[in-house]
Amino acid sequence: AQTVTQSQPEMSVQEAETVTLSCTYDTSESDYYLFWYKQPPSRQMILVIRQEAYKQQNATENRFSVNFQKAAKSFSLKISDSQLGDAAMYFCAYRSGLGGNTPLVFGKGTRLSVIA
Amino acid sequence: EAGVTQSPTHLIKTRGQQATLRCSPISGHTSVYWYQQALGLGLQFLLWYDEGEERNRGNFPPRFSGRQFPNYSSELNVNALELEDSALYLCASSWTVYEQYFGPGTRLTVT
Repeated sequence: AQTVTQSQPEMSVQEAETVTLSCTYDTSESDYYLFWYKQPPSRQMILVIRQEAYKQQNATENRFSVNFQKAAKSFSLKISDSQLGDAAMYFCAYRSGLGGNTPLVFGKGTRLSVIA
Repeated sequence: EAGVTQSPTHLIKTRGQQATLRCSPISGHTSVYWYQQALGLGLQFLLWYDEGEERNRGNFPPRFSGRQFPNYSSELNVNALELEDSALYLCASSWTVYEQYFGPGTRLTVT
C-alpha cells in the first residue's frame, strides 16, 4: 500500500518570504500522480499543484512550485513571496495511475502560518 | 459551473443512531469519493463510487456504507454511531485522474 508522510506538522513564514513544505511517499508503482492541496479555515480543499510521475520537469503554478525527486520519492512544495492568504493546512497526496480514477492517499498535513 | 455540494453542513447525532450524508458531484463527473477527516488523523479514504458501483473502500467497518444514484449523486450512511465517528466528512468528484474536486464537507458530531 502507498503511504505519504509529511514530517512537519507546523511551519511559519514571514510575509513575502519563501517557505518549503516537505513530503515523502512510498510506492512500488511507476505510474502515479502527486498533488498538493490547501485547506483554509473555510475547510474547502483546493488543488494547489499537480505533478505527473512520468514528467521530469517540476510543476510550477505562479508562486507555487515543486521539487520532485522521483528516485528519492520526495515531493516538496515551495511557496514564494508568501501572502497572508496562504495560511492554511497543506496536504500532500498520491494517486495511483492504475485502475482508473483511484482515490487519493493523503499525508497528515502541515499547518502553515504566515506572519505579517 | 456548480461545484461539489454536500448536505447538511452540520449534523448532530446521538451514539447508536444513524447518520445520512449527501453529495452532489460536478455535472459530468461519474466518480464520487468519500473521505473522513478526524482531528489529528488527516484525510482517510472511505468509499469510491463510479458509474453506480462501489469500486473500493478504505479500512472502515461495514457500518459505513453508501450508494451512488443514477444521476451520480451519492449518499454516505453511518450506522450505530460511535463517539469516534465525529469528524468532517468530505466528498469529492472527478472524471479524470488529474484532479479531484472537493465539497465543503459535513461536520458530524456524535454525542
